[in-house]
Amino acid sequence: DAGVIQSPRHEVTEMGQEVTLRCKPISGHNSLFWYRQTMMRGLELLIYFNNNVPIDDSGMPEDRFSAKMPNASFSTLKIQPSEPRDSAVYFCASSAQEFYSNQPQHFGDGTRLSIL
Amino acid sequence: DAKTTQPNSMESNEEEPVHLPCNHSTISGTDYIHWYRQLPSQGPEYVIHGLTSNVNNRMASLAIAEDRKSSTLILHRATLRDAAVYYCILRDLVQGAQKLVFGQGTRLTINP
Repeated sequence: DAGVIQSPRHEVTEMGQEVTLRCKPISGHNSLFWYRQTMMRGLELLIYFNNNVPIDDSGMPEDRFSAKMPNASFSTLKIQPSEPRDSAVYFCASSAQEFYSNQPQHFGDGTRLSIL
Repeated sequence: DAKTTQPNSMESNEEEPVHLPCNHSTISGTDYIHWYRQLPSQGPEYVIHGLTSNVNNRMASLAIAEDRKSSTLILHRATLRDAAVYYCILRDLVQGAQKLVFGQGTRLTINP
């Protein structure tokens, strides 16, 4: 089975540019999560979706960040305009989540983003 | 959210057992104990979870104290591939079960 697929694996761009990160969850999974990992702050949950609907976006740092899930097999995380402090590894994860269950989250290999 | 405390780092030798401790003194009755690990340059991967009883799977064993205020992840025979950061996470089944809140974890080094 294909796991969670993220693209691109690496992105280097200049400050002020728009950045779009993409994620394809595991087929049949109904929950999708975006995380960010930095040395200073570790792994942080940015936002998650259940059945394509955003449930909790309290981790999104500011209005420059937006996430969409137009269908069950695709999600994007967009940063506009990007800043050097956005440099991090961004992970997408999915799970077959039902309420009151303990389904594990399956993570992609991440996108390493560098903003110059 | 209930918090967990783990040692920053541990070291062990290949083919020996490894016991990774986790303290969670404020655990609630609806908190499950989850373990994930993150190998270098990869995303986290699920290892095991439990509520009250000890649990075993193909990757590891989870030993949970009777008062549930601590737990231990056991790798029975470590290999070099087990070198990773191990995260102990409490997951409230009733509220916010979808969330995983990662701490700093324990960086495990395996010596050949």
